[in-house]
Amino acid sequence: AQKVTQAQTEISVVEKEDVTLDCVYETRDTTYYLFWYKQPPSGELVFLIRRNSFDEQNEISGRYSWNFQKSTSSFNFTITASQVVDSAVYFCALSAGGADGLTFGKGTHLIIQP
Amino acid sequence: SQTIHQWPATLVQPVGSPLSLECTVEGTSNPNLYWYRQAAGRGLQLLFYSVGIGQISSEVPQNLSASRPQDRQFILSSKKLLLSDSGFYLCAKGTGEKLFFGSGTQLSVL
Repeated sequence: AQKVTQAQTEISVVEKEDVTLDCVYETRDTTYYLFWYKQPPSGELVFLIRRNSFDEQNEISGRYSWNFQKSTSSFNFTITASQVVDSAVYFCALSAGGADGLTFGKGTHLIIQP
Repeated sequence: SQTIHQWPATLVQPVGSPLSLECTVEGTSNPNLYWYRQAAGRGLQLLFYSVGIGQISSEVPQNLSASRPQDRQFILSSKKLLLSDSGFYLCAKGTGEKLFFGSGTQLSVL
């Protein structure tokens, strides 16, 4: 069985601070995919990133960066110099690539205060 | 195109009433389609998925059902809604390698 744990229910920081969202996963599959999605107040889920289990290279995209560590089964997400528009619920998800979709964590509500 | 149409955007229904939420998608034929539910304070829970017309897999036993009458149409139904059916319902298409989501339906059962 697959499981994704986002231990941080809610994080509140002041604008321009850096913030890291934690994600820990469990799976018995040797090949799997990890995702981060953003859910702004409008409700729609916005895809941010996908990593496969064979690629442990960290990735940076603008103010966003992701740290994938297989040894600790973690896929953490860092926002540098946070902005108010970053306020949203962020979901980490896991999949073995099959037709049965993604397993999501419970989400972290990120609040960026001006 | 990854366009996913979901309607209605919001819905208020009394307990015991029926439900029908519709999702239609554009793009490649024979997509995998999914219904997820997001209850308040919880993550996204997979309810049903379909790999083709008439093929439905249920992940969670409950009083909801799903149908796929056409290749690009996925319907979520209930004969009698419960209070616990309240939540945000999201339709998605794709595979385990990536999912694209619709804009969701906020269902309130009163």
